Amino acid sequence: AQSVAQPEDQVNVAEGNPLTVKCTYSVSGNPYLFWYVQYPNRGLQFLLKYITGDNLVKGSYGFEAEFNKSQTSFHLKKPSALVSDSALYFCAVRDRGSGNTGKLIFGQGTTLQVKP
Amino acid sequence: GAVVSQHPSRVICKSGTSVKIECRSLDFQATTMFWYRQFPKKSLMLMATSNEGSKATYEQGVEKDKFLINHASLTLSTLTVTSAHPEDSSFYICSASRQGASEAFFGQGTRLTVV
Repeated sequence: AQSVAQPEDQVNVAEGNPLTVKCTYSVSGNPYLFWYVQYPNRGLQFLLKYITGDNLVKGSYGFEAEFNKSQTSFHLKKPSALVSDSALYFCAVRDRGSGNTGKLIFGQGTTLQVKP
Repeated sequence: GAVVSQHPSRVICKSGTSVKIECRSLDFQATTMFWYRQFPKKSLMLMATSNEGSKATYEQGVEKDKFLINHASLTLSTLTVTSAHPEDSSFYICSASRQGASEAFFGQGTRLTVV
């Protein structure tokens, strides 16, 4: 079965410190990989994606993610966290061959708490 | 990026009544939209895939007669929660993708409270 795992329910980091939110996946083939962020009572906002090419992908708000094929991981990172980064983060995958009609498979979500 | 608009953002209804939630793609056409349900601090549960001009595809365990989906145009899908009960109270989110794009864009979500 295809699945996405975010092993940490919550990540706590001090403002200004680097942050990592982990994601691993178990999906056949070479899926598209995504990170989304959700603020309270809001929909999901797209942060970044990996399609092909450089394993380090840069996205919105200073976030980046590193694709590791051998470890089937796609960890989200940011060199210096801001209090405003505190939110719920979702990793997701989509089958490469499904085009824009394919389902997203989501991880469980990780709450990021950045303390001043 | 593409804009997906969801309306209403919050709704309170009485038990036994029906509620309609709209999902619109504002600047692109979407042959497929998705409807999700999200419980507090939990991941999104895919309810159904909405297909323009045809019947929706429901995920296992989702009652199609209770959660009616209509995708009458390339920019609008609606989710109607029929005969709502308190256990239907939840956060409902829609998404759509632009043709040729890999990422999905999400509506703002609808907080449904059934009293």
